[in-house]
Amino acid sequence: DQQVKQNSPSLSVQEGRISILNCDYTNSMFDYFLWYKKYPAEGPTFLISISSIKDKNEDGRFTVFLNKSAKHLSLHIVPSQPGDSAVYFCAASVAFGNEKLTFGTGTRLTIIP
Amino acid sequence: NAGVTQTPKFQVLKTGQSMTLQCAQDMNHNSMYWYRQDPGMGLRLIYYSASEGTTDKGEVPNGYNVSRLNKREFSLRLESAAPSQTSVYFCASSRPGSRRGGHGYTFGSGTRLTVV
Repeated sequence: DQQVKQNSPSLSVQEGRISILNCDYTNSMFDYFLWYKKYPAEGPTFLISISSIKDKNEDGRFTVFLNKSAKHLSLHIVPSQPGDSAVYFCAASVAFGNEKLTFGTGTRLTIIP
Repeated sequence: NAGVTQTPKFQVLKTGQSMTLQCAQDMNHNSMYWYRQDPGMGLRLIYYSASEGTTDKGEVPNGYNVSRLNKREFSLRLESAAPSQTSVYFCASSRPGSRRGGHGYTFGSGTRLTVV
């Protein structure tokens, strides 16, 4: 049972345009959400996060939106740059207990120059 | 700082062989994790350790054992490797409250394991 889903395995966007990566979750106990970026032959690195008490969080070119009623979050990258080409994972954790993260299946983003 | 160091980076095993994947962190983090990454499956938690001396099963623990040797080190052992364990393995660590603090996990660079 995949509790965190990224339905688009891949996405291609032209340089300078907006990239929108989507993520859906099923567990209503999730209250904290993160995005990670992964380059080939490297481990994932933290990108941005959002708590369920917010519906938006910005960090430079990256903005994460959370729609709790739809159990949906999205990552917007604007403007997209060639260095943004990577695999992006969304992740979620529950409110209490340990720090375990449940990851989605990933979306490979390719920025076309 | 080295962060999270995993060894080896690559390994080929024959079915039935055993091996231990090593992981060490130098950030004084309490919690450590082992994940495997497979195409179309994302990252799945194998085992985790919330603190030194404790370990718990994750989503896919069968065929694996772990040891939290001390605060720095968390090893993953395959007792009898199977082709289904061909994967990329990532170790990660986190400090208390890192989830709320927004920084999440720090990952190692991975071990690519092939079982033939």
